[in-house]
Amino acid sequence: EPEVTQTPSHQVTQMGQEVILRCVPISNHLYFYWYRQILGQKVEFLVSFYNNEISEKSEIFDDQFSVERPDGSNFTLKIRSTKLEDSAMYFCASVHAAQQGLPGYTGELFFGEGSRLTVL
Amino acid sequence: KNEVEQSPQNLTAQEGEFITINCSYSVGISALHWLQQHPGGGIVSLFMLSSGKKKHGRLIATINIQEKHSSLHITASHPRDSAVYICAVTNYGGSQGNLIFGKGTKLSVKP
Repeated sequence: EPEVTQTPSHQVTQMGQEVILRCVPISNHLYFYWYRQILGQKVEFLVSFYNNEISEKSEIFDDQFSVERPDGSNFTLKIRSTKLEDSAMYFCASVHAAQQGLPGYTGELFFGEGSRLTVL
Repeated sequence: KNEVEQSPQNLTAQEGEFITINCSYSVGISALHWLQQHPGGGIVSLFMLSSGKKKHGRLIATINIQEKHSSLHITASHPRDSAVYICAVTNYGGSQGNLIFGKGTKLSVKP
């Protein structure tokens, strides 16, 4: 069964360092998402990406964050200068179609296993 | 005020029991999702609902749009059902994955 894969599974970094988290979505999916879950808290939406550009972003997704799809398969989340409060689990997800009525819409989101980021 | 509220926060059941987890939301939605988060942290989509009821194996999900309420039921619960169950909604008009999440219900099923 196709799956979304994320790397690394765990990354430890020093405050102020740049971090890139990688996601390989399911190959025929068109919409991509990043979420964050701080330990013990609820999952939070960060950003959605379609047609090589950001389509929606939350207040959390400030100038320290960026996303790109550099090569048609990987979908990356970059944190430019990490802070202690960036320590969290980061999840990637993908869907083929994002809204009812669009071809291929099933309603199911496919999540990766997550990347745990620890900022020291 | 949280836009998505789940109850209970924690639930312990004996194997074989019928389980209900509730979700209420305060915003207009186009879809509601039930997700399962494994002890290791990974998230799996269980259901997406925009109306009515869906069933998959021992899992049943219902939604009442007028009352802004959804329930997830597990029949004949099993220890492997132990996980965190998360309700999440898509704002009306938003992209499917632009979700507002509840805090989750931690379910523990004892043998």
